[in-house]
Amino acid sequence: DTEVTQTPKHLVMGMTNKKSLKCEQHMGHRAMYWYKQKAKKPPELMFVYSYEKLSINESVPSRFSPECPNSSLLNLHLHALQPEDSALYLCASSQDWAGGQDEQYFGPGTRLTVT
Amino acid sequence: AQSVTQLGSHVSASEGALVLLRCNYSSSVPPYLFWYVQYPNQGLQLLLKYTSAATLVKGINGFEAEFKKSETSFHLTKPSAHMSDAAEYFCAVSDLTGANNLFFGTGTRLTVIP
Repeated sequence: DTEVTQTPKHLVMGMTNKKSLKCEQHMGHRAMYWYKQKAKKPPELMFVYSYEKLSINESVPSRFSPECPNSSLLNLHLHALQPEDSALYLCASSQDWAGGQDEQYFGPGTRLTVT
Repeated sequence: AQSVTQLGSHVSASEGALVLLRCNYSSSVPPYLFWYVQYPNQGLQLLLKYTSAATLVKGINGFEAEFKKSETSFHLTKPSAHMSDAAEYFCAVSDLTGANNLFFGTGTRLTVIP
């Protein structure tokens, strides 16, 4: 199974709402990633978890809060978002984080709209 | 910092014709390089990767790429375009510090003309 799943597929939320994005993989990968992708742009790295510990936070605003409850799950908690946060949020995983040569497997993404 | 440049934000190819998507990297040492494809409203799918084992890398769906150190290039090709190849293609380079962070190019949208 080489699948990364993400839920929900679409999410519309107001600026005062609290919501969460969920990502799951069962490939035994030890690194998991959150990316943000704006329309017609490449993905931008937000967070990296390696062995369930936060390894990279690319200066992401605190209204985005990642969580890795176990090696298969990755959540992104959202609170007080702004309309400019509307984007496709992609989750990915790889065998490991160290080394640089492991390919990342991407989920289908969650299309987030902030109203 | 390492980076990749994709020349041509839009490329068109006739069905059955050669597809060539360009990618150049900036790095003093050979990096790890990847090509991903993204279909509309979907995630990214790995086409192929270069990790120094062989300079000509074959991927899925008939795509291949050749690593040329002298030209700092990793161009993606396919001998015969299919309508189903229409998508956005991203070249990416891995962090040279040894971490698996990917830095993506700006992408090339491939249109296939029937």
